[in-house]
Amino acid sequence: DAGVIQSPRHEVTEMGQEVTLRCKPISGHDYLFWYRQTMMRGLELLIYFNNNVPIDDSGMPEDRFSAKMPNASFSTLKIQPSEPRDSAVYFCASSALLAVNYNEQFFGPGTRLTVL
Amino acid sequence: EDKVVQSPLSLVVHEGDTVTLNCSYEVTNFRSLLWYKQEKKAPTFLFMLTSSGIEKKSGRLSSILDKKELFSILNITATQTGDSAVYLCAGVGASGTYKYIFGTGTRLKVLA
Repeated sequence: DAGVIQSPRHEVTEMGQEVTLRCKPISGHDYLFWYRQTMMRGLELLIYFNNNVPIDDSGMPEDRFSAKMPNASFSTLKIQPSEPRDSAVYFCASSALLAVNYNEQFFGPGTRLTVL
Repeated sequence: EDKVVQSPLSLVVHEGDTVTLNCSYEVTNFRSLLWYKQEKKAPTFLFMLTSSGIEKKSGRLSSILDKKELFSILNITATQTGDSAVYLCAGVGASGTYKYIFGTGTRLKVLA
């Protein structure tokens, strides 16, 4: 398996533009997570899905952020309009629930977003 | 509010030294604690701990959990330059959800 795939790997955009980040989870995984990582705040969970359904979006910073998972093999995280403070590395991760207490998450390579 | 705190924030050692990284947590309905290693890219899984007092080992790395005092440590013996990375710990809590609460990490640099 290729692991979790994210695109693009790097994105540079100007303030006010729409940004769409993409993720393909590992086949067979039924959980998908979007994280944001910055030096100041570390790794923060934005939203996660189970079987394509959003379960917890309490980490989404504001209405400018939205995420969708139209099918089991694809998810998007959209920022509209983007702001310089959105600059960060965005990770997607997926997992399969193997047991009640065991659900290792596998991370994609991340998208480094820079908003000028 | 759930939180995970790691210390130290950064650490510089020489090859061959032993290091101990700390992770304390306050996680509602705690279930497990995980350690990840992050080099230049994505975090990679090291350990998952669910029971107190049971050490998990992988080569020169080991980790243990204390559920009474709400902390975990990650030990690395005979450090090598390849151990240089950010080490993240995450707490998982609340029945029926699988949210990870990450600490901000410990940045370890091992000098040759």
